[in-house]
Amino acid sequence: KAGVTQTPRYLIKTRGQQVTLSCSPISGHRSVSWYQQTPGQGLQFLFEYFSETQRNKGNFPGRFSGRQFSNSRSEMNVSTLELGDSALYLCASSPLWGAGNTIYFGEGSWLTVV
Amino acid sequence: KNEVEQSPQNLTAQEGEFITINCSYSVGISALHWLQQHPGGGIVSLFMLSSGKKKHGRLIATINIQEKHSSLHITASHPRDSAVYICAVSAGGGADGLTFGKGTHLIIQP
Repeated sequence: KAGVTQTPRYLIKTRGQQVTLSCSPISGHRSVSWYQQTPGQGLQFLFEYFSETQRNKGNFPGRFSGRQFSNSRSEMNVSTLELGDSALYLCASSPLWGAGNTIYFGEGSWLTVV
Repeated sequence: KNEVEQSPQNLTAQEGEFITINCSYSVGISALHWLQQHPGGGIVSLFMLSSGKKKHGRLIATINIQEKHSSLHITASHPRDSAVYICAVSAGGGADGLTFGKGTHLIIQP
């Protein structure tokens, strides 16, 4: 069974640009969540989607957005990139939303903003 | 907002030693996750706990809901156990709005 797949793995963007990251969950998983990891702040929750609906959102500015498609694949978008957005962005999937679900992480997308 | 504290931040031990990593949180939770991250970024979920104790191979995780504390133990540690171990808690269970600890950097020397 294929794991969580994130694309692209590595990318470099310029300040002010926007970026879209993609996540394909494990087959049959309907919940997808996104996280940002930086050396200074560690891991932080961005948002979670289930059945194409955003169920929860972390404390990030509106420049960070996401969506989920009917096949459970998800994308996140960051507009007007800032240097501080340089981070590892991780996606995770789980079978359902709510208590009692193990989460499965992708390898992440490394974003560098210059 | 839940505060998650892990200790120690860094730990170096010899192969074969018994390892304990601690996690404390400030607000009641519905689930606690122990995660392992190797260099390069990939994260693996080791355990999800809501009560009691779980064991998988040489790894044991316990949680005390009343004391808001969890421990991860590694028996007969091996250099391949070297990684960052991260505690994360959820108020709503599953991946719902996880709050993470800063991680414990573990190095097992041969």
